[in-house]
Amino acid sequence: GPKVLQIPSHQIIDMGQMVTLNCDPVSNHLYFYWYKQILGQQMEFLVNFYNGKVMEKSKLFKDQFSVERPDGSYFTLKIQPTALEDSAVYFCASSFRDKPSQNTLYFGAGTRLSVL
Amino acid sequence: GDSVTQTEGQVTVSESKSLIINCTYSTTSIAYPNLFWYVRYPGEGLQLLLKVITAGQKGSSRGFEATYNKETTSFHLQKASVQESDSAVYYCALGDQGGNRIFFGDGTQLVVKP
Repeated sequence: GPKVLQIPSHQIIDMGQMVTLNCDPVSNHLYFYWYKQILGQQMEFLVNFYNGKVMEKSKLFKDQFSVERPDGSYFTLKIQPTALEDSAVYFCASSFRDKPSQNTLYFGAGTRLSVL
Repeated sequence: GDSVTQTEGQVTVSESKSLIINCTYSTTSIAYPNLFWYVRYPGEGLQLLLKVITAGQKGSSRGFEATYNKETTSFHLQKASVQESDSAVYYCALGDQGGNRIFFGDGTQLVVKP
């Protein structure tokens, strides 16, 4: 079936540095999402993105976070600067239509971010 | 708030035996939630296993089934006879019909022993 690819699978960085997590969504999808899962906790919604704009974001989506998809390439999540509490697995997802409750979300395998 | 509870972190079942993974939900803001089961096989992303959008109905896929029970606010996942290839992490989730969010449970690791 359709695949969402996330690169890299694991990223280790020092606190205060910038990190960019990359997501290659399903080719004809239009809606993109990031979720965050801290070890032992639930996966939680961060942000969704459509037509070059953030549509909705949660309180977890701090000012240090930003998303973009320049020229239809990777959908990226950038954290600048990183903090210890940003250590988590970040999952990218995409869907063809809006409203993931009604339309299937396709998820990547996640990027494990370790902030030291 | 809106939340999903999966009480078991891990369930171990012998091959060909039956399975039930518990899921209950709570919602204060969603009048008619849609309910989902997602599955993550090792090294892969989450995949939608089944979805039910109407209370009282049952969804099924790949031998798994779950019934949307509005009275008990439950959506337990069942399978009559598991296979080793079913070993994965299963996530129960709920979402609202008009919004952009899905709320996930903690996940239940299913280990199927040969």
